[in-house]
Amino acid sequence: DIQMTQSPSTLSASVGDGVTITCRASQSISSWLAWYQQKPGKAPKLLIHKASSLQSGVPSRFSGSGSGTEFTLTISSLQPDDFATYYCQQYNSIPWTFGQGTKVEIK
Amino acid sequence: QVQLVESGGGLVKPGGSLTLSCAASRFIFSDYYMSWIRQAPGKGLEWVSYISSSGSMIYYADSVKGRFTMSRDNAKNSLYLQMNSLRVEDTAVYYCARVGSSSPYYGMDVWGQGTTVSVSS
Repeated sequence: DIQMTQSPSTLSASVGDGVTITCRASQSISSWLAWYQQKPGKAPKLLIHKASSLQSGVPSRFSGSGSGTEFTLTISSLQPDDFATYYCQQYNSIPWTFGQGTKVEIK
Repeated sequence: QVQLVESGGGLVKPGGSLTLSCAASRFIFSDYYMSWIRQAPGKGLEWVSYISSSGSMIYYADSVKGRFTMSRDNAKNSLYLQMNSLRVEDTAVYYCARVGSSSPYYGMDVWGQGTTVSVSS
């Protein structure tokens, strides 16, 4: 199975800050990576697919990059609505696997 | 708007069975791969299974293989997860989700609200 490791696990930041979350795969997954945002008690929301493609309707302050084994999700200027937990997920091979999550908290 | 609505969750004893349903609306259900994802209390997301648009290909996580059966009825725009031999560790919120294309190579772009399964004696 492909292991997905996110860092950091928790991130404290202020409104307006730029933040970056890293996701590493235990083997190459090409660009078959998605990023999701989840708020407490809610279903996840797709932000990015194919490593860098912004899902329709998602604000442009979100961006994704990377290929192979190392990927990043960047939020260029944090907004109050962005405080949430973020997950990466690989869909290169079965079983699909998620990172453990990164909680973005208010500083 | 495009919608997925899960039902069928509840409290069941270890070893028991439960069937989850997911009703899809406002999109051409038969065009899309579909998936089940679960989230144990206070934990991260875990992929459970996915099914191709026609239903001819189904894959499972090792943790549920042999106990869970995923199926779909394209005529009824519905997705199912038959869960047998339930264990305490199957306790979770179960989400159905649409894979955003007619292949598995896309993220999951539409999610239901989730249905809670609790396995306890």
